[in-house]
Amino acid sequence: QVQLLQSGAEVKKPGTSVKVSCKASGYIFTNYGISWVRQAPGQGLEWMGGISAYNGNTKYAQKVQGRVIMTTDTSTTTAYMELRSLRSDDTAIYFCAREARRVGVYCDYWGQGTLVSVSS
Amino acid sequence: QSVLTQPPSVSGAPGQRVTISCTGSSSNIGAGFDVHWYQRLPGTAPKLLIYANTNRPSGVPDRFSGSKSGASASLAITGLQAEDEADYYCQSYDSSLSMIFGGGTKLTVL
Repeated sequence: QVQLLQSGAEVKKPGTSVKVSCKASGYIFTNYGISWVRQAPGQGLEWMGGISAYNGNTKYAQKVQGRVIMTTDTSTTTAYMELRSLRSDDTAIYFCAREARRVGVYCDYWGQGTLVSVSS
Repeated sequence: QSVLTQPPSVSGAPGQRVTISCTGSSSNIGAGFDVHWYQRLPGTAPKLLIYANTNRPSGVPDRFSGSKSGASASLAITGLQAEDEADYYCQSYDSSLSMIFGGGTKLTVL
């Protein structure tokens, strides 16, 4: 069965970076992309961007462009999301999700989420 | 402000039918992109509920159904149950090749 297993919770100081991992199993990793979605306290879901596990092509949301880097390691079927220059409003639960395609892209399987807390 | 507009909350009694709307524009839903729906139970990851406007993944009860018309879409839940109490999000795609979400709707089962 398809599983996405994320790394554990992180506590970070403003201005530092965080790197969250997402280990995929149960499917052919390079046949699908991975999206990263976050949810801040009391807010809705926010798409941060996505990466093709086939060729590494990325597309980032404008809000985090320049601060986020998404990568994949096909040898370990793991996706990574690094967010730099952290601010307090980056405090959120971060989810990875497998991308599926119809007319557009959606997420058919989700990781369990990683809480990132940013506080001085 | 979310690109897709949902009502902040809806409610219904057990056994009733509720609908949740999702309104977009000509650059997203109205441009022909599919609409998808997710259910987020407290403390859990989002779960795909409806994909490509009307399709249910395996294991999702047929009490849940989706529709799309023009630049809007709807999620209907019939035979409301206490376990349906959750946050519901619509999602589509826009012409800038970005995934977009609605602001979410909190469903309360009275």
